[in-house]
Amino acid sequence: GESVGLHLPTLSVQEGDNSIINCAYSNSASDYFIWYKQESGKGPQFIIDIRSNMDKRQGQRVTVLLNKTVKHLSLQIAATQPGDSAVYFCAEKIQGAQKLVFGQGTRLTINP
Amino acid sequence: DTGVSQDPRHKITKRGQNVTFRCDPISEHNRLYWYRQTLGQGPEFLTYFQNEAQLEKSRLLSDRFSAERPKGSFSTLEIQRTEQGDSAMYLCASSREQGNSPLHFGNGTRLTVT
Repeated sequence: GESVGLHLPTLSVQEGDNSIINCAYSNSASDYFIWYKQESGKGPQFIIDIRSNMDKRQGQRVTVLLNKTVKHLSLQIAATQPGDSAVYFCAEKIQGAQKLVFGQGTRLTINP
Repeated sequence: DTGVSQDPRHKITKRGQNVTFRCDPISEHNRLYWYRQTLGQGPEFLTYFQNEAQLEKSRLLSDRFSAERPKGSFSTLEIQRTEQGDSAMYLCASSREQGNSPLHFGNGTRLTVT
């Protein structure tokens, strides 16, 4: 399949380690944030979301942290597996708007 | 699987030709979005529908682009007089209407203009 994001920032981790992917968002009026995973040749896949009235949300093997003071979002993936290899995008929604604005993306590579 | 469906998956066309893409959203979703993605970039918003009403259009959507959602279900995106710069992945997404709901994306239509 075609590769998504040939010149993206890359994070390489050992299988079984925890991964932390960071994102700086742009608008202090954003009230909703989403992390997506995109594999080669596929559309973005929803992972987890968080609203601006929260600072942490946990899912299955994933945790999203939101720091509104510095406009920073992170995605933590526990016990990284080969299937986690993909490009990860954060996206923000400005309060009152309906569209999502995507960040640049980070390529996560898992080393065996 | 009743996810977002897009057709065709791939389209190769010559410069100057018209192309049309189709998107079938998740059935209970009122909102439908079109995005464009080029290599190395995140998806960029093009336009958004709530039911059959087109409520927002990006400045990226030139007058050669038109999107419709005539019955509030499936949507089409047409590009007239294609240019090489139109080559990209065109993504469709849908979401529920209430509150902040995540967008669910299809696997896109890859357009190559030669």
